[in-house]
Formats: sequence, structure tokens, C-alpha cells
Amino acid sequence: KNEVEQSPQNLTAQEGEFITINCSYSVGISALHWLQQHPGGGIVSLFMLSSGKKKHGRLIATINIQEKHSSLHITASHPRDSAVYICAVGSSGDKLTFGTGTRLAVRP
Amino acid sequence: DTAVSQTPKYLVTQMGNDKSIKCEQNLGHDTMYWYKQDSKKFLKIMFSYNNKELIINETVPNRFSPKSPDKAHLNLHINSLELGDSAVYFCASSRHPHTDTQYFGPGTRLTVL
Repeated sequence: KNEVEQSPQNLTAQEGEFITINCSYSVGISALHWLQQHPGGGIVSLFMLSSGKKKHGRLIATINIQEKHSSLHITASHPRDSAVYICAVGSSGDKLTFGTGTRLAVRP
Repeated sequence: DTAVSQTPKYLVTQMGNDKSIKCEQNLGHDTMYWYKQDSKKFLKIMFSYNNKELIINETVPNRFSPKSPDKAHLNLHINSLELGDSAVYFCASSRHPHTDTQYFGPGTRLTVL
């Protein structure tokens, strides 16, 4: 069992829908990262958070440390949001451990 | 200006050959990483360096040897390439090890024939 589990593995949505991607982890962490990998292959860091909630444009990330769970929300989804979204967790001084990713396709 | 750059972007080679991938960052970061992404898109760390010193060396075959000539560069040399080495290799950097935001290079797709 991977230390970082994401759900769903695949997600198809219609443009405009509200999207939620979940990440659960089994180890103590100091930070959780959400990454986006575009179809072209490039990886971009979206958020790094250790508590609470962060917002950037139409993206919102939340984390519940007690429940070892994080969610990434996309409001008013758009076809350009189609990508693989990857959750990764890290402990202080230790390497990042990655989830297997959620492949999102947003249809016009 | 590209923050983290890798060369080459594509690398096709025969089994048994030796090849190198270069990585450079112009962000002034102290920490650099090499990741391997397999065919199922799973990312796994291989190495990380902080201030040119190796701090993470995962269970990677010793055919893989990273070299950091200075804080801005982390190169990956691979000896005696095998079919299973085919993957996309990503370089990344961050200000501090592991828990800071990481900036990724564009990736190098290695195909071993």
C-alpha cells in the first residue's frame, strides 16, 4: 500500500463543473504539495501547505492534519485544467513521497 | 528565462551505452533533485543534493551517478544502460531540502533500445 493514496484515479468532467480530488496519507508530515502535470509533460507546483487552506485563482487546497487528508478543488473547470494532479507529502528533512496521480479530463 | 533547464529533452540509445543528462537552475536554490517517472506516471526520487552535498540516495543502482559541480548544476550519468532505465527523468530545485516548493525542469525522455 502506497503511503499516499489519491482518489479518484481518473476523472472526467464537463466544463464549468466543480471538481474535487482527494489525497490521504499514512505518515506524519510537515508539508503537503499539490502538483500539476500537463499533457506535454511539464510539472508545476500548485500549492504547498501544512495547515488550513490556500487559494489561487480557481484552485483551492485544504488539509486536515488530524485526519491525514487533503483536497484539491477546482471551481468553474475549463478544458485547460485537463492534466494529471499529483499529491506529495514530506517530513522535515526527508524526501517527498508521491501519490499515483489523478488524471483529469474536462470536456467542453 | 527558464528557471530549471535540462538537456537533452529526448535521448534514444542502445543497451549498454553510457549517457549523461544535464540540469541547471538559475533560481539561486541550495537543493537539487533527480526524479524518475515510470510508464505509469509514478514519480520517485532518486537523489537530492544540498549545497553540492548528497543528502538523499534512494535504492538506485550504482550505474547511476549524480554529480554536482556547483549549486546551480546537478548532472546525472548513467552507465551500462538497461531497458528498464527507459523513463522520463526530471530535475528539480528548491530553496531548502524537501519541504519547500520545488521547481521542475521539463524532463528528459530516455528510451533504451
